[in-house]
Amino acid sequence: EIVMTQSPATLSVSPGERATLSCRASQSVSSNLAWYQQKPGQAPRLLIYGASTRAAGIPARFSGSGSDTKFTLTISSLQSEDFAVYYCQQHINWPLTFGGGTKVEIK
Amino acid sequence: EVQLVESGGGLVQPGRSLRLSCAASGFRFEDYAMHWVRQTPGKGLEWVSGISWNSGTIRYADSVQGRFTVSRDNAKNSLYLQMNSLGAEDTALYFCAKQGYTVASLWPDAFDIWGQGTMVTVSS
Repeated sequence: EIVMTQSPATLSVSPGERATLSCRASQSVSSNLAWYQQKPGQAPRLLIYGASTRAAGIPARFSGSGSDTKFTLTISSLQSEDFAVYYCQQHINWPLTFGGGTKVEIK
Repeated sequence: EVQLVESGGGLVQPGRSLRLSCAASGFRFEDYAMHWVRQTPGKGLEWVSGISWNSGTIRYADSVQGRFTVSRDNAKNSLYLQMNSLGAEDTALYFCAKQGYTVASLWPDAFDIWGQGTMVTVSS
């Protein structure tokens, strides 16, 4: 099983600032990496798949990069609605596995 | 509107069974593989099971293999999860999710549509 590790666990950022979230895979997943956003009481929402492709309707301030075992989600200028928990997920091997999440909170 | 709505969760005693349902609308359900994913505060998000468009290919997480059975009825636009021999470790919020970008076949993929989830609590 591929283990996904996210860091940091919590990221404190001021509105308008840039946020950089990290995800690491225990073995290569090539570019088969997705990012999700989850707000309290809601389902996860797909932001990025294939490491860098934005899902439909996702604002351009969200960008993904990386390959192999190291990945980054960048939110260029945090808006109030972006404070949430973010998860990465590998989509190359069974079982599909998720990271433990990074909570982005208001500084 | 594309939508997935889960139902069937509740409080169940250890060792008992429960059947979850997921009703799909707003897309051609029969064209897509579907999945169940669960979430707990302790273990986070965990993929549970996936089923191809025609039920020809099915996969399970090791943690539920032999106890859970996934199925679908394309005529009813519905996905199901039969859960037997439930234990405390199965307590979670269960989501159904649509496979995003590989049409029909069951394939490691991202999930582009999620339901709101149905809560399963296993306790005596």
